[in-house]
Amino acid sequence: EDKVVQSPLSLVVHEGDTVTLNCSYEVTNFRSLLWYKQEKKAPTFLFMLTSSGIEKKSGRLSSILDKKELFSILNITATQTGDSAVYLCAVSPGGSSNTGKLIFGQGTTLQVKP
Amino acid sequence: DGGITQSPKYLFRKEGQNVTLSCEQNLNHDAMYWYRQDPGQGLRLIYYSQIVNDFQKGDIAEGYSVSREKKESFPLTVTSAQKNPTAFYLCASQGLARTDTQYFGPGTRLTVL
Repeated sequence: EDKVVQSPLSLVVHEGDTVTLNCSYEVTNFRSLLWYKQEKKAPTFLFMLTSSGIEKKSGRLSSILDKKELFSILNITATQTGDSAVYLCAVSPGGSSNTGKLIFGQGTTLQVKP
Repeated sequence: DGGITQSPKYLFRKEGQNVTLSCEQNLNHDAMYWYRQDPGQGLRLIYYSQIVNDFQKGDIAEGYSVSREKKESFPLTVTSAQKNPTAFYLCASQGLARTDTQYFGPGTRLTVL
């Protein structure tokens, strides 16, 4: 059965800290891994990763994929209170029956205290 | 504005009543999806549609029904058969290129009393 597991489930840090969120997966015919940020409402897209070892970066956020170990991390440096959110990891299985479906992890709830 | 809209934002219903959640997109996306989100469980797929007049069950379709009569619209009906309908419901859409980026609507929070 395809599954995505995120850790930790919740995290409390102070402004300025650096955090690392983890996502491991087991899927057949892996196609891509996506990270989303959810602040109370609609998840917003952060990154899509398809190749191992290539870091994607956007401001203070970065992410990397390890297809051998079936793992991805999302790093946030110099955290701010505005980074408080649920971070969702999702995997898109590929193959001939690819339908665009995503398999989501449970999410990591990050709280950044001032 | 281009995007996905869901209505209503909050919905309260009595147990045993059917309720329909609206999802509309003007992104010209072919594929649309319905997810349910419960605390600590991430998003779970209810139904999805890749083309008008066609849809498939997701992982937790029991007690739900959908229709896809127009490309822009993918309403979800929560029936009385759904045993635990109180949840946050998210609709998403995705373009033909299958770039795997799904765009989400703002969600509807359904509470069954």
